[in-house]
Amino acid sequence: GEDVEQSLFLSVREGDSSVINCTYTDSSSTYLYWYKQEPGAGLQLLTYIFSNMDMKQDQRLTVLLNKKDKHLSLRIADTQTGDSAIYFCAERRGKLIFGQGTELSVKP
Amino acid sequence: NAGVTQTPKFQVLKTGQSMTLQCAQDMNHEYMSWYRQDPGMGLRLIHYSVGAGITDQGEVPNGYNVSRSTTEDFPLRLLSAAPSQTSVYFCASSYSRDTDTQYFGPGTRLTVL
Repeated sequence: GEDVEQSLFLSVREGDSSVINCTYTDSSSTYLYWYKQEPGAGLQLLTYIFSNMDMKQDQRLTVLLNKKDKHLSLRIADTQTGDSAIYFCAERRGKLIFGQGTELSVKP
Repeated sequence: NAGVTQTPKFQVLKTGQSMTLQCAQDMNHEYMSWYRQDPGMGLRLIHYSVGAGITDQGEVPNGYNVSRSTTEDFPLRLLSAAPSQTSVYFCASSYSRDTDTQYFGPGTRLTVL
């Protein structure tokens, strides 16, 4: 299909790991992105992965890419209350195609 | 650099009114785009521009016009506002369309009554 799919909500406890999943549509997509949107703000690029990579780690963030299944995940280690936000995955097929966003709620 | 700026932050319109949402960037980016964000639907591309003088339609262009007379500015015009255009609008820019990450403005929250 045309859609990039994400689950809408995720709730974790502070200090736990969060895993946000995304299924994208086009195996020829060159770049896949994770954006973070805090309440009332615009989208902030968190990280991205090129399609020839399986994994990318950046401090507390780990991105895993399974090209065969067209599955992308974002793992946040030691999740903090400041990580509460909406997380969007996006694939680049020429233009950027966004998922619906996953609202991460971090409880103390 | 100020990055991508948008004005106004909030706007309320009556059905049938017209208005222009402003977007500017100071990063010398060639590619600029407008998205709308609606609950549960992610971001949908309205219009985009690959350089001054060049614009094209995205997924949901109806009811909106754009122009790109300079590299820096990319205004979005609502010709005759409708309640279905109630949304949050984001402008974004990047060096190029196909390979670069996009930088987003803070958004304009528009309500059409």
